[in-house]
Amino acid sequence: DGGITQSPKYLFRKEGQNVTLSCEQNLNHDAMYWYRQDPGQGLRLIYYSQIVNDFQKGDIAEGYSVSREKKESFPLTVTSAQKNPTAFYLCASSPDRVTEAFFGQGTRLTVV
Amino acid sequence: AQSVSQHNHHVILSEAASLELGCNYSYGGTVNLFWYVQYPGQHLQLLLKYFSGDPLVKGIKGFEAEFIKSKFSFNLRKPSVQWSDTAEYFCAVKSGGGYQKVTFGTGTKLQVIP
Repeated sequence: DGGITQSPKYLFRKEGQNVTLSCEQNLNHDAMYWYRQDPGQGLRLIYYSQIVNDFQKGDIAEGYSVSREKKESFPLTVTSAQKNPTAFYLCASSPDRVTEAFFGQGTRLTVV
Repeated sequence: AQSVSQHNHHVILSEAASLELGCNYSYGGTVNLFWYVQYPGQHLQLLLKYFSGDPLVKGIKGFEAEFIKSKFSFNLRKPSVQWSDTAEYFCAVKSGGGYQKVTFGTGTKLQVIP
C-alpha cells in the first residue's frame, strides 16, 4: 500500500535530549512537509522540501532541523534548543503544485 | 508571507442546521485552496480543493466551498449537518510559486448536537 509512514506513534524523551522523528513515503512525491499541531493553533509549518538535498524553513523552524538525502525520507530532529517540544508532529507529502498534501498518522512527542 | 485566517474557532450546531465556516487568506499570487477535516482520533483528510475553473467546488460528504478572489475567501458550506460531521476543519493555501509551501489556518472545531 502506498502512503506516508511516521514512526514511532508515541515518543518520550528527557529534556535536553535531541530526538529524531521518522517520515517515509512510497508515493514518489517530490514535496515533503513537517507540521506541528497544538490545540487552538492549527498546523504550523516547520520545514518543507521540494526536492532532494533542498529544504526551506517554515514559520516555526527554530529548534528543529531536517535532512532530505533521499526522495522517500524526510526526518525531523527536535533539538534541545526547542523550548516547547511537546506536541503532535505531522509529516505530509505532495506530488505537485496543484495537488493536496497527504498526511501521515503523526507522532506524539512528550518531553519530560 | 502567506497566511490563513479561520475566524470561527468553535461552532456548535444542531443536526440539520446549515453550516458555513469562514476562511480568508493573504497572498497576492496564484493559490490553490483546500479544506481538510480531522475526525476525532483520525488523521487529516481532504474534503475539497480549488485550483482553477469554477469557483464553486464540491467535495465529499455534501460539503462545498466557494472561492471569491476579490475577498480572498474560501468559505466552506454544508446545507444540513449531521452528528457525524463533528470534527475539526482546517483551511489551507498552497502558493503558486516555485516552492510548494502549504499554510494552514488555526482550525474550527464543529460540534453537532443530535
